[in-house]
Amino acid sequence: GAGVSQSPSNKVTEKGKDVELRCDPISGHTALYWYRQSLGQGLEFLIYFQGNSAPDKSGLPSDRFSAERTGGSVSTLTIQRTQQEDSAVYLCASSPQSNYGYTFGSGTRLTVV
Amino acid sequence: AQSVTQLDSQVPVFEEAPVELRCNYSSSVSVYLFWYVQYPNQGLQLLLKYLSGSTLVESINGFEAEFNKSQTSFHLRKPSVHISDTAEYFCAVRPQYGNKLVFGAGTILRVKS
Repeated sequence: GAGVSQSPSNKVTEKGKDVELRCDPISGHTALYWYRQSLGQGLEFLIYFQGNSAPDKSGLPSDRFSAERTGGSVSTLTIQRTQQEDSAVYLCASSPQSNYGYTFGSGTRLTVV
Repeated sequence: AQSVTQLDSQVPVFEEAPVELRCNYSSSVSVYLFWYVQYPNQGLQLLLKYLSGSTLVESINGFEAEFNKSQTSFHLRKPSVHISDTAEYFCAVRPQYGNKLVFGAGTILRVKS
């Protein structure tokens, strides 16, 4: 597609439920990133994919968070047993291997109630 | 590791006045520098970037930033702001031989009439 697409745009879930957030990067972009944006916390790096592998997953806050990428394209961020502190906007970005800037999606606003 | 400090969390300014949004960074390696903008209820957009060459870089909508290596700064300036410039601005750095963008906490620019 023309841009980075994220779905759903909004998600309200009950505490303790699992959620899956999807990112569809720009076609041909080999690098994919997940960030979390919380009120007062700025943008927090979660994980980086190069192709299907994740050389840097240092930002995942706990083992309840996991992510995968298949076919060098779509990525899914999964949060298990959601907690209220997981409420945030989850942003996905992609970039071509040889470029230096990211293109961000519009994000998924996750609210845990 | 890299870190970014945006010295002002909010900057109120009147329309047509000049503005400077300050950004300082810390890194043990050479970095690329970026400014992103997030308009209300929208995703992050790349505003401008410094990769190499001239230390003064400009955006298409009148913003400019100057890389100062000795002061490890990358301040964003505009000589005359418009109401439409109201947004949150994020400074970010990326190691020249790395992939992860590290963001500052953001500065909210509020332009008043």
